[in-house]
This record gives sequence, structure tokens and C-alpha cells, in this order.
Amino acid sequence: DIQMTQSPSSMSVSLGDRVTITCRASQDIGNYLSWYQQKPEKSPKLMIYGATNLEDGVPSRFSGSRSGSDYSLTINSLESEDTGIYFCLQHKQYPYTFGAGTKLELK
Amino acid sequence: QVQLQQSGTELVKPASSVKISCKASGYTFTSNYMHWIRQQPGNGLEWIGWIYPGNGNTKYNQKFDGKATLTADKSSSTAYMQLSSLTSEDSAVYFCARARRGTWYFDYWGQGVMVTVSS
Repeated sequence: DIQMTQSPSSMSVSLGDRVTITCRASQDIGNYLSWYQQKPEKSPKLMIYGATNLEDGVPSRFSGSRSGSDYSLTINSLESEDTGIYFCLQHKQYPYTFGAGTKLELK
Repeated sequence: QVQLQQSGTELVKPASSVKISCKASGYTFTSNYMHWIRQQPGNGLEWIGWIYPGNGNTKYNQKFDGKATLTADKSSSTAYMQLSSLTSEDSAVYFCARARRGTWYFDYWGQGVMVTVSS
């Protein structure tokens, strides 16, 4: 199975911060990676697909990038509504696998 | 608008089975793959498998072979997942999620069903 190593596991951040979350794939997944945000007691929400494409309706302060096997989700100028848990998902190879998640909290 | 409405919380006994549902609306049910995902306490997400309601084809994570069975009813636009031989390890929240047509990422999710396995 492809391992998605996500870091950090948690971050304590301030409003206006620039935040970067990374997933490293254990095998080549091309751009078959998506990012999701999950709020407490809610289902995940698609944020980024195809590694770099912003889902409709997601604020432009969110962006996705790729460098080799490292995939990053960046939030420019964090807002309070951006807190929650973020997951990456590879859908290149079965079984699809998720990163362990990054919990973003306000300081 | 697209909605995936899942059935309610389940409290089930060990060794039993449970069938949870995911009713789709707002799009052509038979045109998109429906995936199922498990989220155990502590947040970890696991992909269980998919069903294509158009023809009933399925694909499972080997880990869930024999544990999960995916079906779909085109007449009611409802996808189902049956979980069998339940143990406490199966206690989790189970989500259905639609894959956007022609892609493999999940653009709409159900609200999740909490399944608790306890005697």
C-alpha cells in the first residue's frame, strides 16, 4: 500500500499566519492527490484536487503544490474558519490511502 | 443540489451484521462512483471500496474483503454497505462519498453513520 506521511500532526497558529501542511507519498502518485478539511462532527470537505486545483467555492487563500513526492497545502493569511483537521488522500493506486491528518488550532 | 443522506446511528452486538444506507439526490445516481470510508476514533480515515451504481461493479480494499459488502438500488438512488461479523474494532463512523464524474476524488460526502459494536 502507498503510505502517505502527513506532517505536522498538529499546529497551533495565529490569525493571519501562513500555514503549510505536507504529505509525502511512499510511491509515485503523480497528481492523484486531494486535500480535505474536516470540522468537528462534520464530514470532510474537498479543498484541493489534482494536487494543485482549487475546488469551486474554496477561498483563494488555499493552494496546493507538489515537489517530487511531497505535496503541500498552504493557507495564506489564516482565518478563524480555517481551523479543523486537514487530510490528504492519494487515489492513484488501490487501496486509496489517507494521510493521518493535521489538526489546526488557534493559539 | 447534491446531497448524500445517510441512515442513523447504529448500536449493534458483536458477531452481528449491520446495513447502512446512503440516499443520493440532486444528480444522476447511476453516473458516479460511490465510495465508502471508515473513520475510527482518533481520526484516521480508511478507504473501504466503491460501487458503480450504473452496473453494480464493486472494488474493495482487501482489508475489508469479507467484512463489507456494497450494493446499490437504482430505483431509490440509494447505496448500501453491509458490515458483517462485527467486532469492537468495527466501531467507527462510516461515510459515503461521491466521486466526481470522470475523476477519483470525493466531491460530496454523506454526514456519516456512527456504528458502535458493544454487547
